[in-house]
Amino acid sequence: SQQGEEDPQALSIQEGENATMNCSYKTSINNLQWYRQNSGRGLVHLILIRSNEREKHSGRLRVTLDTSKKSSSLLITASRAADTASYFCATDHAGNMLTFGGGTRLMVKP
Amino acid sequence: DADVTQTPRNRITKTGKRIMLECSQTKGHDRMYWYRQDPGLGLRLIYYSFDVKDINKGEISDGYSVSRQAQAKFSLSLESAIPNQTALYFCATSHVQPQHFGDGTRLSIL
Repeated sequence: SQQGEEDPQALSIQEGENATMNCSYKTSINNLQWYRQNSGRGLVHLILIRSNEREKHSGRLRVTLDTSKKSSSLLITASRAADTASYFCATDHAGNMLTFGGGTRLMVKP
Repeated sequence: DADVTQTPRNRITKTGKRIMLECSQTKGHDRMYWYRQDPGLGLRLIYYSFDVKDINKGEISDGYSVSRQAQAKFSLSLESAIPNQTALYFCATSHVQPQHFGDGTRLSIL
């Protein structure tokens, strides 16, 4: 069963705009991770946020975590056409096993 | 060269055939994983191994088996393939977290 669920399932924006994706989960976590998948490729790790952290930044990426609401968001600022991909959240509950959500398909139009 | 290499990249076969998907890594990680991805869904864990003598079932292990031949090699077998095993299969490795993925094997079973 999928633990994380992303929202929206699909998002289309213009280059330069910000993109926000959300992830909700059901049970307590050790950490939450975001991955990107380009078409026809494997997943690439973007950022990991631990359960005792509230916000984390990496370049144009900003991730927030609200453990009371069991939710996380990924913000991509000043998006580029190269950001077009599917984005997945993955939750680590125990034993370092990851449970993936269904993903958000992001299209950034030039 | 890729750090996590999956072979073959594409495979079409018939129902009832035995199939082996192979994964090798040059990252020196102890942990290796096999996932499957179905359209519109996230990744689901099939099997994982934390070292050469360790094999564990994941969420959807029925119909699959694995072999950890060496630290760097982890293969997935479908003993008697059936059409609903048609999917994209990913191998991943890790030290602890995060996980590093190969580019996948697209498997079609007719």
